[in-house]
Amino acid sequence: DAGITQSPRYKITETGRQVTLMCHQTWSHSYMFWYRQDLGHGLRLIYYSAAADITDKGEVSDGYVVSRSKTENFPLTLESATRSQTSVYFCASRKDRHEQYFGPGTRLTVT
Amino acid sequence: AQSVTQPDIHITVSEGASLELRCNYSYGATPYLFWYVQSPGQGLQLLLKYFSGDTLVQGIKGFEAEFKRSQSSFNLRKPSVHWSDAAEYFCAVGVIYGGSQGNLIFGKGTKLSVKP
Repeated sequence: DAGITQSPRYKITETGRQVTLMCHQTWSHSYMFWYRQDLGHGLRLIYYSAAADITDKGEVSDGYVVSRSKTENFPLTLESATRSQTSVYFCASRKDRHEQYFGPGTRLTVT
Repeated sequence: AQSVTQPDIHITVSEGASLELRCNYSYGATPYLFWYVQSPGQGLQLLLKYFSGDTLVQGIKGFEAEFKRSQSSFNLRKPSVHWSDAAEYFCAVGVIYGGSQGNLIFGKGTKLSVKP
């Protein structure tokens, strides 16, 4: 049972480049989430999705784009990466009653 | 607006000592409450959750938490800490009403160090 996976686990990119972080879950959970984790800020919600083709912005969505054409996948795209987007990114899916399950994270560095 | 406060950024305890991590929330109704643990380089793992009923909830790895409505608190406890408990701990509250129903609001975390 793979659960929820993220790829790549580590990524270094340059300012201005487009980057896509992948998230895949095997549970068929309806809800999926993207967070970023930064020192002193904890986890902040970027985007979430209630089902395929239904997405909504979170607290820090500027500069990010998501899509959800299939229930199991929820890619996050940085359209033009900036240094302030250097962070650890976590994908999560929700089973029921708020309980979320997290992926292992992607550490992104923007130079 | 809902919020979660973890007053302690960093706590150090000796192995074998008891532990209590504090969490306070701001919410108008009965909240859904969670504690997650994050080991270095890992994702978050659910330790325990409270939805309703018994205010003392048991979780994995020997952790428990007590919901106190009068104090708006949901503190995490463990009677005897092991070196493997060194990690960062996050308290979270579930959004029950409104457009973001079902989402979680996280505290900023408490880093636990364990002295041998």
